[in-house]
Amino acid sequence: EPEVTQTPSHQVTQMGQEVILRCVPISNHLYFYWYRQILGQKVEFLVSFYNNEISEKSEIFDDQFSVERPDGSNFTLKIRSTKLEDSAMYFCASSAQGLSTEAFFGQGTRLTVV
Amino acid sequence: GEDVEQSLFLSVREGDSSVINCTYTDSSSTYLYWYKQEPGAGLQLLTYIFSNMDMKQDQRLTVLLNKKDKHLSLRIADTQTGDSAIYFCAERTNGAGSYQLTFGKGTKLSVIP
Repeated sequence: EPEVTQTPSHQVTQMGQEVILRCVPISNHLYFYWYRQILGQKVEFLVSFYNNEISEKSEIFDDQFSVERPDGSNFTLKIRSTKLEDSAMYFCASSAQGLSTEAFFGQGTRLTVV
Repeated sequence: GEDVEQSLFLSVREGDSSVINCTYTDSSSTYLYWYKQEPGAGLQLLTYIFSNMDMKQDQRLTVLLNKKDKHLSLRIADTQTGDSAIYFCAERTNGAGSYQLTFGKGTKLSVIP
């Protein structure tokens, strides 16, 4: 069964460093998303991406964040200068259509900023 | 803005039915979802319901939607120990170009053997 894969599963970084979280969406999907879940809190929407551009983003997704689809298979989330409060589980998701009934989520990358 | 609320914990005995409840605020919600998260794992879509439906059944899962009260429930029949997980309710609104889901905090279901 096709699945969304994310690497690494766990990333530890020092405050102020840049991190790139990687995702391989399902191959025929066109819409891509990043969500995050701070420990004990809700899963929060960060950004959606379609046709090589951001289609929607939340207030959380400030100038420190960027997304890119550098090739035909990867979808990345970059945090330029990490803060302690960026520590969270980051989930990538993809869907075949923007208004599709199903968005498939990856296993998540646990980011720990120290 | 949109908000989704769930109770945080539910404990049931193996073989009993579990009912997980959720309320949401956005009356323009189009789809409502239930996701399951097992320890250390990602979010697995269990089932969803379109906002013009009242009920959807899928094997052991029954979703009930009361659109008037903005109340969604997930019933798991014959609950098994493998059903122990966190269950997230999520809503999707159909605003112009809106693709985002709003999640609740999740209900941790513990199944007692």
